Amino acid sequence: KQEVTQIPAALSVPEGENLVLNCSFTDSAIYNLQWFRQDPGKGLTSLLLIQSSQREQTSGRLNASLDKSSGRSTLYIAASQPGDSATYLCAVPGDQTGANNLFFGTGTRLTVIP
Amino acid sequence: DAGVIQSPRHEVTEMGQEVTLRCKPISGHDYLFWYRQTMMRGLELLIYFNNNVPIDDSGMPEDRFSAKMPNASFSTLKIQPSEPRDSAVYFCASSLPSSPNEQFFGPGTRLTVL
Repeated sequence: KQEVTQIPAALSVPEGENLVLNCSFTDSAIYNLQWFRQDPGKGLTSLLLIQSSQREQTSGRLNASLDKSSGRSTLYIAASQPGDSATYLCAVPGDQTGANNLFFGTGTRLTVIP
Repeated sequence: DAGVIQSPRHEVTEMGQEVTLRCKPISGHDYLFWYRQTMMRGLELLIYFNNNVPIDDSGMPEDRFSAKMPNASFSTLKIQPSEPRDSAVYFCASSLPSSPNEQFFGPGTRLTVL
């Protein structure tokens, strides 16, 4: 069974700093990897999806990288803002066929201090 | 589009009572997923449907849990009888057939069983 781990569990940074969130997974034969954002009391919003054939994806100030061989992904947030404060989760499908069950990490709670 | 709609947003009930959670997926999305989120276990997939048919219910914790999807625009998750350990946030998500992993989440139902 795929296991997804996120470190750190919580992170606090001053506004304007660049930061990196980490995600690792035990089975490197993944179909894709997603990063989600969850605000308190809200559902999840997909930020970036990286296919297994890709090394990275960018959206605005966000950049996600994927290293399948090492079972790792990072989410880089540039010039952090207080509005970035949320919990960030990564998720991978259950198997290489792109099965539809997603396995989620426990998340990193980010606080950006004004 | 209104996105995935879940009701109720909050539910407080006593142990032993029946609880029914409801979900309306995004129109045109053939996949529907039910997840449960707790502090201890994070986000876990309970069951998912494709074209109203349950595909994988291996995540359903026990016989007290049941899910139905009578039509393409409605699904229910029922717990009978409820127990305090069922307290969690239950999310519904839906996705297009062309990209089942790109799931759109509802706001969740926070269930508290006393």
